[in-house]
This record gives sequence, structure tokens and C-alpha cells, in this order.
Amino acid sequence: SQQGEEDPQALSIQEGENATMNCSYKTSINNLQWYRQNSGRGLVHLILIRSNEREKHSGRLRVTLDTSKKSSSLLITASRAADTASYFCATADLNSGGYQKVTFGTGTKLQVIP
Amino acid sequence: KAGVTQTPRYLIKTRGQQVTLSCSPISGHRSVSWYQQTPGQGLQFLFEYFSETQRNKGNFPGRFSGRQFSNSRSEMNVSTLELGDSALYLCASSKGLAGGGFFLTDTQYFGPGTRLTVL
Repeated sequence: SQQGEEDPQALSIQEGENATMNCSYKTSINNLQWYRQNSGRGLVHLILIRSNEREKHSGRLRVTLDTSKKSSSLLITASRAADTASYFCATADLNSGGYQKVTFGTGTKLQVIP
Repeated sequence: KAGVTQTPRYLIKTRGQQVTLSCSPISGHRSVSWYQQTPGQGLQFLFEYFSETQRNKGNFPGRFSGRQFSNSRSEMNVSTLELGDSALYLCASSKGLAGGGFFLTDTQYFGPGTRLTVL
């Protein structure tokens, strides 16, 4: 079963606009990660935010985390056509062995129109 | 540093056959995880291998199995293929760290995937 549900499922914006994707999860986490997947390809790691962090930036990416609401958002500013891809959140928790167990969300398909 | 490689990239099989997919992790990585991705079910975790041992397992039938070799390369096998097994199979490698509690972060690096079509 999926830990994370992403919203919206699909998003279409014009180049230069900002894109915001949301992720909600169900159980406690150690960290949350965002990945990008270009059509039919592997996933690329974008950014990680720990459970004690509220906001993190990387270039045009801004991630927020609200553990009280069990939700995270990914903001891509000044979007480009090359940002067209699916974006997944992945929650990581520690299992009894002390290592990470990662569960992926359902993904948001972003289309940036030139 | 070379990335994660998966072979073959594309595969067409018929129902009832079996298939073996291969994944070579990034050098130095000891953990390999396998995922099945379909339009309907999204990314589903199959299993994770670390130092030749299955450390984690998803909710897939016993037809799906895997193994890891001493050089960390991993194979995944699906026996008695069904139409519903058509999917993109992704493997991801990581250092497979444990311990460190809250401060543990273990980023996964994905291969390009193997597209399996079952006819």
C-alpha cells in the first residue's frame, strides 16, 4: 500500500510559473525525500528533509514539511519545459533493524508548457 | 562514478514463462532494492537485499524472488508470468546504512529500469 498520497495527480502550467505539489503521509517518518522521474525512466533524487526540519531549499526547489499535519510540499519556482516529469515523495522510517524503510507516494505528473 | 545499470532494458515474454532481470549497483553500495511500477498501482516495493541477504520484503506473491551476489549485483526473477506483471521494474542502490538513528539518511539511486511486457 502507498504511504504517501500526492496532490494534484496532474498539473499543467506555463513556463515561468511556479508549480506546487503536495504529499500527505500516514505514519511517523525519519525523513521525507522528493524524486523526479522523466517518462519511462528511473527516478532522480531531488532533495531530502529531516523530520525536525520545516523548510529546505535547493536551487529552484523549496520543500516544506509539517509533521503535525503529516504533509509536505514541493515548490518549483520559475518552471522550465525541462521540468516536465512526474514527481514522487518518499517517506523513510527506521525499522527494527535501524535502517531505512522507504515508501513512495503516488506521484504528481507535471507538464510545463513552453 | 558509474550509475546503476539494469539489463535488459526491454523484454517481451509470454504468459507462463519466467524472466530474470539484472541490476548492478553503484560501486561501494551494498543495498539493492527492487520496485515494480505500473500506471494503476504506482511504485510498489518488491524487496531489498543487503550483503546477500533479503532485508525487507513487500507484498508480492512468491513468484517474485531475488538474490544478491557477493559483488552486490542483484537479480530478480519472476516465474509463471501473468499479464499483470507487465511493468517497469526499477532497481535502486544505496549504501544500506544502519544505525545513527534520527540522523540516518540513505539516499537511493535508481537505474533506468527494465520494461517488461507480457503477452
